[in-house]
Amino acid sequence: DIQMTQSPSSLSASVGERVTITCRASQGISTYLAWYQQKPGKVPQLLIYAASTLQSGVPSRFSGSGSGTDFTLTISSLQPEDIATYYCQKYGSVPRTFGQGTKVEIK
Amino acid sequence: QVQLVESGGGVVQPGRSLRLSCAASGFTFSSYAMHWVRQAPGKGLEWVAVISYDGSNKNYADSVKGRFTISRDNSKNTVYVQMNSLRVEDTAVYYCAKGSSVTEKRPFDHWGQGTLVTVSS
Repeated sequence: DIQMTQSPSSLSASVGERVTITCRASQGISTYLAWYQQKPGKVPQLLIYAASTLQSGVPSRFSGSGSGTDFTLTISSLQPEDIATYYCQKYGSVPRTFGQGTKVEIK
Repeated sequence: QVQLVESGGGVVQPGRSLRLSCAASGFTFSSYAMHWVRQAPGKGLEWVAVISYDGSNKNYADSVKGRFTISRDNSKNTVYVQMNSLRVEDTAVYYCAKGSSVTEKRPFDHWGQGTLVTVSS
């Protein structure tokens, strides 16, 4: 099975700072890569799919890139409401493995 | 609008069984695969199982294979997961999620609110 590895596992950044989270697949997955945001006590929400397509309603400060095995989620200017755990997931085949998550906090 | 409503969670002893349900509305249920995802307390998301739009194909995570069975009733717009031989490590919030259509691979753009399963003696 393909493994999904995120880094870092947590980060602390200041409001307005640029934040980057990486996700690496153990084998190529084309662009079948999604990013989810989960705020504390809430249901995960889809942010980005097809590696770089922003889900409707998601702020433009979020962006995604990559293909094959290496992917990146970027928050261009961190806002207080972005405090959450972010997960990548491969969805082109089963198992639909998630990364272990990246917890984002405000410094 | 799309709605997914899980039910059936609760406290159960190790070795016992439980069946979760997820009632769907707001989309053509019979055209989409459906998934179960779980999240243990304080932990990350774990994909559990998928059933194809017509129920003909099913796949499971290794951690639940042989113990969990996913099924669906397209006449009732409902997907189920029968969980047998439950273990303490199955304790989690269980979410159902809408998957790929017949024609397109899709991420989980809709999730239920989750139902908590606690396995404890």
